[in-house]
Amino acid sequence: GQNIDQPTEMTATEGAIVQINCTYQTSGFNGLFWYQQHAGEAPTFLSYNVLDGLEEKGRFSSFLSRSKGYSYLLLKELQMKDSASYLCAVIDSNYQLIWGAGTKLIIKP
Amino acid sequence: GAVVSQHPSWVICKSGTSVKIECRSLDFQATTMFWYRQFPKQSLMLMATSNEGSKATYEQGVEKDKFLINHASLTLSTLTVTSAHPEDSSFYICSATDGAGEPTDTQYFGPGTRLTVL
Repeated sequence: GQNIDQPTEMTATEGAIVQINCTYQTSGFNGLFWYQQHAGEAPTFLSYNVLDGLEEKGRFSSFLSRSKGYSYLLLKELQMKDSASYLCAVIDSNYQLIWGAGTKLIIKP
Repeated sequence: GAVVSQHPSWVICKSGTSVKIECRSLDFQATTMFWYRQFPKQSLMLMATSNEGSKATYEQGVEKDKFLINHASLTLSTLTVTSAHPEDSSFYICSATDGAGEPTDTQYFGPGTRLTVL
């Protein structure tokens, strides 16, 4: 079956760095998305990885290892507004988008 | 750019009534729109994919006669929940792409509609 694993919840301190992991077991792979979703709001696009390596975009970076079925989202210089759920989604070989359940990130002052 | 709106943002209705939710791409033409529902603390569940001018493609287990989707123009798709029941209460989110509708296209999400059926 298809499966995407993310930690349910993480806590970090304002100004610190946090890494949110995502592991996947899917029938094939055609790319991985990270989205941010604030409570009661719709998801917003953060990143898309299809090749191995690290992609940096401001305070946020996303890493992919296809051989390990693994990705992480790295958030630096955490701000209170970064408190949200972070969703990992994988495109499988049938070009279906499989969504993870999301990681709720709590930022403390 | 790439703004998607939804209306209404929340709705409360009586059991048995029908509710229409609109999804609009404000500054781009969306050849493909997606409808999701999300239960509390759960991930997004794709309900259907709609392409302008053609019938929607529903995911397995989603009743097409209950969740009517119309994508009449490149900027508007509607979801009608017919004869709504309390178990239909959920957060409904639409998204749109300005690409060819491939899963590799970035999806731009609307703000969601919270439906409560009494």
